[in-house]
Amino acid sequence: DSGVTQTPKHLITATGQRVTLRCSPRSGDLSVYWYQQSLDQGLQFLIHYYNGEERAKGNILERFSAQQFPDLHSELNLSSLELGDSALYFCASRNRGGYGYTFGSGTRLTVV
Amino acid sequence: TQLLEQSPQFLSIQEGENLTVYCNSSSVFSSLQWYRQEPGEGPVLLVTVVTGGEVKKLKRLTFQFGDARKDSSLHITAAQPGDTGLYLCAGAPSKNRDDKIIFGKGTRLHILP
Repeated sequence: DSGVTQTPKHLITATGQRVTLRCSPRSGDLSVYWYQQSLDQGLQFLIHYYNGEERAKGNILERFSAQQFPDLHSELNLSSLELGDSALYFCASRNRGGYGYTFGSGTRLTVV
Repeated sequence: TQLLEQSPQFLSIQEGENLTVYCNSSSVFSSLQWYRQEPGEGPVLLVTVVTGGEVKKLKRLTFQFGDARKDSSLHITAAQPGDTGLYLCAGAPSKNRDDKIIFGKGTRLHILP
């Protein structure tokens, strides 16, 4: 157990729908990083939150949004889903000293 | 845009053989990490290298950071079926926690028993 918790583990939904992915960072960590992993693109950075504030954005689609709540858990909202949004979505905590991440076990999203 | 290219993309070898996978960039990184990812799980950090020319060993795995901090290699001696997985290299442009870490697309390694 990495200490980074993601739910749900699997999600199957239809095109056009909206889903919410949830992440709880390691205890005491103020940061949450979201990444998308697809077979052809690899791990792509989506967004970073620190203590409720958005700190950096990657190539995140306008249909996607995120937020971090006062209890530090974060939610990634994906709307108007398309087949191409099918991927693994990971959240991560940055390791002490800034060296690398500890990842959650991910949410596998399948859009049909 | 900083990119990390990993080679080979796929590697299938017999148990007991040695192998090296590579991670290359035209950019300088403050540090570089190697991760292993198994199906259905998130990447797990194996090692971080921070000094140009640094070599780190983790049992049968040897990691090297290039002198110019632009590239890295992972060498596995006497590969075992348990080494099977996706190996990802990742570079941090700086120690700033706001800087995103850049990932390569990975080398998918399959060790045949």
